[in-house]
Amino acid sequence: EAGVAQSPRYKIIEKRQSVAFWCNPISGHATLYWYQQILGQGPKLLIQFQNNGVVDDSQLPKDRFSAERLKGVDSTLKIQPAKLEDSAVYLCASSLTRTNTEAFFGQGTRLTVV
Amino acid sequence: RKEVEQDPGPFNVPEGATVAFNCTYSNSASQSFFWYRQDCRKEPKLLMSVYSSGNEDGRFTAQLNRASQYISLLIRDSKLSDSATYLCVVNMISGGGADGLTFGKGTHLIIQP
Repeated sequence: EAGVAQSPRYKIIEKRQSVAFWCNPISGHATLYWYQQILGQGPKLLIQFQNNGVVDDSQLPKDRFSAERLKGVDSTLKIQPAKLEDSAVYLCASSLTRTNTEAFFGQGTRLTVV
Repeated sequence: RKEVEQDPGPFNVPEGATVAFNCTYSNSASQSFFWYRQDCRKEPKLLMSVYSSGNEDGRFTAQLNRASQYISLLIRDSKLSDSATYLCVVNMISGGGADGLTFGKGTHLIIQP
C-alpha cells in the first residue's frame, strides 16, 4: 500500500516569498492533517480536514498560511509571505477516520527561510 | 490550549536496562492516547496505542491513568535500536469537531553500548 506522499522534500526560499506544499494521503483516508515541526520540538497541528471540510484550524496563522483539500483527497498548504520563523519541517498525515485510529505521516517537507 | 507535557531528556541508558517515560495531559476530555517514535530526520511512526487497561507489545508496556491524567511507556531490555525520540500523543474529539492529535515535545532516548 502506498504511503502518504509529500512534495517537495526540501525547499529554500527568501523571506517574504511564497511557497506551497503538496500532500497525497493514503487512499480512502478521510482525515488529513498538516503539522509544523520546528527543530527540537514535537509536531504542532496546523489544520485538520475531514474529507474536504476543515474541522480544526485554530493554530493556523491565517494571515499568512492557507490550506485546502478541494476534492477531499490531495491537499496543499501555502505560506505567503514567509518569515524566518517558518523554517521547519511540514508534515502531512492521514488517518482512516478522526477517532482512535493511527495517523500515517509523510516524509515531510523541510523548509528553510533565509 | 490543551497541552501534552513530557520530560525532553535526554535519557542516557545502558543497553539492557529498563527505562520508563511519563507524559501528562491537561484536557480531561481526551479520548485516545498513543506513543509515537521518531528517528532523527524521519517522520513519526506509531509505536503503540494506549488502552485504559494497559497494554504490552514485546518489550514495550504502556499504561494510562485517567484519574491522574498521565500516560507511561516502559521499555525493558533496551536495545541500541531503541534510541529515538518518543512522542506522547493525545486525541480529543470535542462536540464542535475533532481537535486532532496533540503531540508532546518528545523524550529523547539514547541507548549506550
